[in-house]
Amino acid sequence: AQKITQTQPGMFVQEKEAVTLDCTYDTSDQSYGLFWYKQPSSGEMIFLIYQGSYDEQNATEGRYSLNFQKARKSANLVISASQLGDSAMYFCARMNYGGSQGNLIFGKGTKLSVKP
Amino acid sequence: DGGITQSPKYLFRKEGQNVTLSCEQNLNHDAMYWYRQDPGQGLRLIYYSQIVNDFQKGDIAEGYSVSREKKESFPLTVTSAQKNPTAFYLCASSIVGLAGTEQYFGPGTRLTVT
Repeated sequence: AQKITQTQPGMFVQEKEAVTLDCTYDTSDQSYGLFWYKQPSSGEMIFLIYQGSYDEQNATEGRYSLNFQKARKSANLVISASQLGDSAMYFCARMNYGGSQGNLIFGKGTKLSVKP
Repeated sequence: DGGITQSPKYLFRKEGQNVTLSCEQNLNHDAMYWYRQDPGQGLRLIYYSQIVNDFQKGDIAEGYSVSREKKESFPLTVTSAQKNPTAFYLCASSIVGLAGTEQYFGPGTRLTVT
């Protein structure tokens, strides 16, 4: 099955430092999108950033940026200037644009803890 | 405020009973989704619907049923046939047909079956 791999079950980062959360994916499709979501302890899923497979530039949204390396099938999330409120689970997800358009395949997540 | 509501936040049922989880959205989205999340795991797709009166099975549809009679509503029934129903259930919605549009999620319902 095509899957998303997040190899870091847990990460620690010092407040105000940058952190990179890893994500690799399987796909045989040429057209797909990659998403990152944040899940605080309350449980809701918060959309952070999107990267399309044909986008030439890496996506950025405020303190979030996506390091997209298509040939390596990796889409790492970089959070700059970490804040205590960034402590949460982070999920990478892929959507194929084809017959099952709209279906997100999620990784197992990385738990980020920001230390003061 | 536009958004997705799921109720209740916590739900307790006895084994062998069917239970229905509600999901309502006022975002005018055509597509709606149900996901299941187990501890330490990512989300897995149960069912999705891209238009009223039509829906498709996701990866783990066995033991679940849905209906989509209104654009705003996509209730999920967890039947007694679902072998491990205790989980966190998340509903989502999105625009159809536009690449790059994210799915918006509700706050979730935590179901415990004993």
